[in-house]
Amino acid sequence: DTEVTQTPKHLVMGMTNKKSLKCEQHMGHRAMYWYKQKAKKPPELMFVYSYEKLSINESVPSRFSPECPNSSLLNLHLHALQPEDSALYLCASRLAGGENIQYFGAGTRLSVL
Amino acid sequence: AQSVTQLDSQVPVFEEAPVELRCNYSSSVSVYLFWYVQYPNQGLQLLLKYLSGSTLVKSINGFEAEFNKSQTSFHLRKPSVHISDTAEYFCAVKETSGSRLTFGEGTQLTVNP
Repeated sequence: DTEVTQTPKHLVMGMTNKKSLKCEQHMGHRAMYWYKQKAKKPPELMFVYSYEKLSINESVPSRFSPECPNSSLLNLHLHALQPEDSALYLCASRLAGGENIQYFGAGTRLSVL
Repeated sequence: AQSVTQLDSQVPVFEEAPVELRCNYSSSVSVYLFWYVQYPNQGLQLLLKYLSGSTLVKSINGFEAEFNKSQTSFHLRKPSVHISDTAEYFCAVKETSGSRLTFGEGTQLTVNP
C-alpha cells in the first residue's frame, strides 16, 4: 500500500478565513512534504518534515503554517490567504534514510476568493 | 545544485504511435532519477525510477526509460501509446544524499485517435 490521503479534495475560502489541509499516511514514512502546484507547472516545494521536525522551509509566507503532530499526519494551516495562493496543494511522503521514493497524495484544490 | 530540462513542453501523437519524452539533468554528484505522471485533476503517480543497477527500467504499462550517464539523460519511451496515456509527465532528479526532488517543467503528452 503506497497511499497518501489528503483531505479535503476541494476547498474554497475567503481571504479572512482560517482553514486546514490534512495529509495522512500509514506506510511508516518519516519524511513528509508539502508542495504547491499551479496549473501547467511542476510542484514547488514548500516544507519538509523529517522525523516530525521541520527540516526545510522554502521561505514560505507565514500565512501558511505547517504542523506535524505525529509520524502519520501532516497539516497545513491557512490564514489570510491571497487569491494568488489558489493552487493544487500536494502532500508527499518518503521512507527517510532508506528507499528514496516520494509518494504523492491526490492533492487539495484550493480556491481563494 | 541539480537541474532538470524537459526538452518538449507538448508532444501530440496518434494512438498506437511510438513516443519519446526527453529529459536531461545536470548535477555535480550522484543522483536518482524519476518519471512521474499526472492525469487531469489528480496528484502525481510514480511511473519509473532509476536508483541503481540496470540502466534500462520498465513500467508495468509499457513505458521504459534509460539512464545515460555520459549524456546525462533519462528519456521516457513507449512503443505504442493509448488514448489513456494522455497526461502531464514530469522528470525529476534527487541527489543520492539529499531529500529534495527537483522537477522539470513537464511534458504534456496528448494521444489523439
